[in-house]
Amino acid sequence: QVQLVQSGAEVKKPGSAVKVSCKASGGTFSSSSMTWVRQAPGQGLEWLGGIIPIMRTGTYAQKFQGRVTITADESTNTAYMELSSLRSEDTAFYYCARADCSGGRCWIDYWGQGTQVTVSS
Amino acid sequence: QAVVTQEPSLTVSPGGTVTLTCGSSTGAVTSGHDPYWFQQKPGQAPRTLIYDTSNKYPWTPARFSGSLLGGKAALTLSGAQPEDEAEYYCLVSYPDGRPWVFGGGTKLTVL
Repeated sequence: QVQLVQSGAEVKKPGSAVKVSCKASGGTFSSSSMTWVRQAPGQGLEWLGGIIPIMRTGTYAQKFQGRVTITADESTNTAYMELSSLRSEDTAFYYCARADCSGGRCWIDYWGQGTQVTVSS
Repeated sequence: QAVVTQEPSLTVSPGGTVTLTCGSSTGAVTSGHDPYWFQQKPGQAPRTLIYDTSNKYPWTPARFSGSLLGGKAALTLSGAQPEDEAEYYCLVSYPDGRPWVFGGGTKLTVL
């Protein structure tokens, strides 16, 4: 059984950065991909980007290019999402989701519990 | 960026059938867009129901099915239960390397 456990809630100042972690247990971390999604209060889901740990290269939504960095540490089965130059509009729940990869295709299956990030002066 | 559209809200009677759809501003949604469907209940993380247009996970109730319908991805719920009341999101990818894009979500009421 795959479980994704995310780090705790964060309160940040505008202009600063936040780094959220997502630790996976069960499954094969290196052959899966990790996706990050956010949800602002009362709003829908928004795709930020993702990474295949074995590839070590993230793919990002154009809106967040240059502000978001997604990394993965295979030694600890943990993925990270760092968002910089925070503004109040970045206040949201941030979710990680795993995609199981096989035959060159990856399919999102399990989700983390979410991390509340609040940006406030 | 492409815009993915869903019905903002739908209502279904208990035991009834409803179809949610997911369209793209770029044209027809095809299997090549790898459409997903997710369910999210208030205060919870999303849960994956359907991947690759119509494939289910072990936890996906049999009453949910995915398909392509009239140039859109579709999620059909047959035999709605009160616990199916939730927000449903589709997600599509774009083969030319554009990012994954979520639809705005459909709030499904079972009433």
